[in-house]
Amino acid sequence: AQSVTQLGSHVSVSEGALVLLRCNYSSSVPPYLFWYVQYPNQGLQLLLKYTSAATLVKGINGFEAEFKKSETSFHLTKPSAHMSDAAEYFCAVSVGDYKLSFGAGTTVTVRA
Amino acid sequence: DAGITQSPRYKITETGRQVTLMCHQTWSHSYMFWYRQDLGHGLRLIYYSAAADITDKGEVPDGYVVSRSKTENFPLTLESATRSQTSVYFCASSGGAWETQYFGPGTRLLVL
Repeated sequence: AQSVTQLGSHVSVSEGALVLLRCNYSSSVPPYLFWYVQYPNQGLQLLLKYTSAATLVKGINGFEAEFKKSETSFHLTKPSAHMSDAAEYFCAVSVGDYKLSFGAGTTVTVRA
Repeated sequence: DAGITQSPRYKITETGRQVTLMCHQTWSHSYMFWYRQDLGHGLRLIYYSAAADITDKGEVPDGYVVSRSKTENFPLTLESATRSQTSVYFCASSGGAWETQYFGPGTRLLVL
């Protein structure tokens, strides 16, 4: 079975600083990988997804993620944090079927 | 464009009572999913459906029942609520296998 590990349950960054959220997955077959964002009291919204095309994936709101097979990683980055980026972020993996396995989530706080 | 809606948004019930959470989507998506979100666990799949009248268990199905008589609706029933079922429940839908899942706003359930 596939699984996802998000390193760090909480990340605090200054406004304008780099945002880096780490995600590692385990899978014996090529995965489909996703990053979702959840704002307070809302559902999840897709940020970006990797489906075996380009290894560097660009998403909404200036986020991007790079698929590294050798490291089984799919880390999410944004060069310059904005106050509106404060939210919870989830990495998810799907391998060969349409079900998703989610990581435990990382809460991002942005300091003014 | 309503998208995917859930009702009620908030529910308080007592142990042993039956509770039904509703999910409705307007996209005619084939696939629908129910997740629960608990602190430290991310989202865990309860049940899913690939089409009307086709449902299957996910990771944590015990104590839950689903049905899907119409493509657009996917109700989740807790037959006899327990305190461990206190959680936030999310419904999602997608148009095909491995396509993006779109999430509803969630139902926050408290079982006393």
